[in-house]
Amino acid sequence: AQSVTQLDSQVPVFEEAPVELRCNYSSSVSVYLFWYVQYPNQGLQLLLKYLSGSTLVESINGFEAEFNKSQTSFHLRKPSVHISDTAEYFCAVSGGYQKVTFGIGTKLQVIP
Amino acid sequence: DAGVTQSPTHLIKTRGQQVTLRCSPKSGHDTVSWYQQALGQGPQFIFQYYEEEERQRGNFPDRFSGHQFPNYSSELNVNALLLGDSALYLCASSLWQGRKGYTFGSGTRLTVV
Repeated sequence: AQSVTQLDSQVPVFEEAPVELRCNYSSSVSVYLFWYVQYPNQGLQLLLKYLSGSTLVESINGFEAEFNKSQTSFHLRKPSVHISDTAEYFCAVSGGYQKVTFGIGTKLQVIP
Repeated sequence: DAGVTQSPTHLIKTRGQQVTLRCSPKSGHDTVSWYQQALGQGPQFIFQYYEEEERQRGNFPDRFSGHQFPNYSSELNVNALLLGDSALYLCASSLWQGRKGYTFGSGTRLTVV
């Protein structure tokens, strides 16, 4: 079985400050890891993914995440947030032939 | 290039009724997965269809059923609706099993009264 734990349900942060959204996973097989973002009343959009290779992956809008196998973590970071980053962020894992499992989400609130 | 299309966008049903939700996957994708997202929760996996067969199923009762058509589009059916079925139902398309990432539709908001 696989599972995802998002340690913070809400993260308030001032505009232009750095942010880290934490994600830990468990899986009995090699994993693929994802971060999705959801804006109000919309579906989820893929932000970035780790499949293999470099453990540091980046998105086009400045987010990055690092796969840490020893700590079973895949934390999402951004050095300077903008108002437009206000959304809910979901960490997800899939492994082997198992379905994609999502965490409960972290609401990022950027304060002007 | 159209993404994932879901219909309808909103729906209100009465307890005990039946509902059908529809999904057209992104062009080139062959797998459709359905998720239920209750208010304030993460998406919960319902089932996944590939080659017109249900390949995986989450922890949902048999009231939830689905279908995939030869053109890869899919339907989600829910019978004997309960108040607790009120949620956002998300369709996600992908290449086989979605291990390299899903493309989600905007969802169908189902309200059961």
